[in-house]
Amino acid sequence: LAKTTQPISMDSYEGQEVNITCSHNNIATNDYITWYQQFPSQGPRFIIQGYKTKVTNEVASLFIPADRKSSTLSLPRVSLSDTAVYYCLVARTSGTYKYIFGTGTRLKVLA
Amino acid sequence: GAVVSQHPSWVICKSGTSVKIECRSLDFQATTMFWYRQFPKQSLMLMATSNEGSKATYEQGVEKDKFLINHASLTLSTLTVTSAHPEDSSFYICSARQIGQGGSYEQYFGPGTRLTVT
Repeated sequence: LAKTTQPISMDSYEGQEVNITCSHNNIATNDYITWYQQFPSQGPRFIIQGYKTKVTNEVASLFIPADRKSSTLSLPRVSLSDTAVYYCLVARTSGTYKYIFGTGTRLKVLA
Repeated sequence: GAVVSQHPSWVICKSGTSVKIECRSLDFQATTMFWYRQFPKQSLMLMATSNEGSKATYEQGVEKDKFLINHASLTLSTLTVTSAHPEDSSFYICSARQIGQGGSYEQYFGPGTRLTVT
């Protein structure tokens, strides 16, 4: 299972774009990269998932370079309600499959 | 989207008693569900993988006789904390796996259950 490394915390201001980078140097060929958001006393919420290049949905973009050893979650124009912990996870699509959570990144959005 | 529910959302029990937590996938079938535990200000810790119709696989250090997992149907997994003690007080979260478009796995999490043992 690929280990992930993220910054422990980040601060941003409302309206700014936030980029959170995750390192996963030993990612395997069959691994997908998934990002989750978690608010206090709630279960993690799926944000976005990708395999390579760029993925975009209504809430975020995910950038994955060609070597796939890192990924960047981009949150456009954050608001106070985006204050949460963001987790980057790597898991393969076959064989042994389970998510091992790292420390996550605690994002604080300031007014 | 896929929805996973948990019941109860919170529970208080006395030391020495057992508590059962239910995890349901509401709009999809899940052959595999996962149970996590989370202490305040910490990350989620995987406890076990629950497979429908077979025994659960526990992570190292998790007592399988204390945390009983049953996955009797494709939409329900239960976690029973037996002989609970105050140190078992935690936030328990389940998740269910669904195969998404393109064949990748997508995992959806329940809202969590807050267990307090007095």
